[in-house]
Amino acid sequence: DGGITQSPKYLFRKEGQNVTLSCEQNLNHDAMYWYRQDPGQGLRLIYYSQIVNDFQKGDIAEGYSVSREKKESFPLTVTSAQKNPTAFYLCASSIAGLGQNIQYFGAGTRLSVL
Amino acid sequence: QKEVEQNSGPLSVPEGAIASLNCTYSDRGSQSFFWYRQYSGKSPELIMFIYSNGDKEDGRFTAQLNKASQYVSLLIRDSQPSDSATYLCAVNVNDMRFGAGTRLTVKP
Repeated sequence: DGGITQSPKYLFRKEGQNVTLSCEQNLNHDAMYWYRQDPGQGLRLIYYSQIVNDFQKGDIAEGYSVSREKKESFPLTVTSAQKNPTAFYLCASSIAGLGQNIQYFGAGTRLSVL
Repeated sequence: QKEVEQNSGPLSVPEGAIASLNCTYSDRGSQSFFWYRQYSGKSPELIMFIYSNGDKEDGRFTAQLNKASQYVSLLIRDSQPSDSATYLCAVNVNDMRFGAGTRLTVKP
């Protein structure tokens, strides 16, 4: 059953804590993306990766970090430097980056601050 | 000016009517255009994509693209209560840009 799996579904962060959101895909897609969605707003790009061991900052990368050690995995760390982390985080993948490629989304992780 | 603009709604239509959702974009170099449906609390799912000027039909859905006017729309015929959701317009140039979405309510 192919798809994109995000975990956990809900996550709570304490002040000063780093937390990591998992994203795994078995679609054999080269490109993966992380978006943030706030209520009433569109999706904003945090980071994207078109190939293993390479990634680029999106519009709102400050306070976040990523890695792409495997084609299937693209974890996102929300660091303590991100002062307003409460949001719905969406991971997506596509066959190849940019261009006309359709992006498919995981179910999302909802992050809240304790 | 926002890169992708949508009327936030809510747009309310009666069951069986045609729902018309509109989107304008600012970058004339945009090459591909997508409509995603997002139910409350869920992730976006692809409804339609269109690359060329004109209409593209898929079942009850029709996407319309006018690159000269920088305008893309989604028509939903025979609207059903299950169509009630937020519809996101996305435009791809060098990366994907999303509008804030239009909330559609279909009343029985």
